[in-house]
Amino acid sequence: GAGVSQSPSNKVTEKGKDVELRCDPISGHTALYWYRQRLGQGLEFLIYFQGNSAPDKSGLPSDRFSAERTGESVSTLTIQRTQQEDSAVYLCASSLAGAAYEQYFGPGTRLTVT
Amino acid sequence: ELKVEQNPLFLSMQEGKNYTIYCNYSTTSDRLYWYRQDPGKSLESLFVLLSNGAVKQEGRLMASLDTKARLSTLHITAAVHDLSATYFCAVQGGSEKLVFGKGTKLTVNP
Repeated sequence: GAGVSQSPSNKVTEKGKDVELRCDPISGHTALYWYRQRLGQGLEFLIYFQGNSAPDKSGLPSDRFSAERTGESVSTLTIQRTQQEDSAVYLCASSLAGAAYEQYFGPGTRLTVT
Repeated sequence: ELKVEQNPLFLSMQEGKNYTIYCNYSTTSDRLYWYRQDPGKSLESLFVLLSNGAVKQEGRLMASLDTKARLSTLHITAAVHDLSATYFCAVQGGSEKLVFGKGTKLTVNP
């Protein structure tokens, strides 16, 4: 079946602009995660959704970052007033029902802030 | 706070040789994952290790977990060029999120 998909695959934006990144999880997966990967680094957790609620937002780096999810479907990560340090690959993952189940990762969105 | 350390961060090895990547973590873990990432690609799951003494093997890769030592190893046997990639361990410890190591960039030379 279809895996996790993300769009766009690449995004170049000017400093100060807002961007929206989209994630389509695997159908039937109730848990959804956003991670950030800076160049040459491991992944940093940003936020976790169970259904359309976000019980753990502890990884969001500032109030410029927000995310929402429609039901058990699409999620959008929004970065307002982008800064150069926001440049990274943003990866989305989904799992069947949370911690007891493996996370499956999407291909990522490469964000470049100029 | 859960911390995960991998070493080495860079590994250059010759085809046919054996080597081990180490992953140490700081607090009790529910499960530990090993992932492979090729340049410009997403993460491919290799192994999930759930319990102390767990050992899993796939081809030339073998992963093990020692929960008492808070240590996992990824052993590479008779390396081939196709194994060149970055390998991450990730630990899930009492919460939903995965905490990742910084990765080991493996280069296998002919």
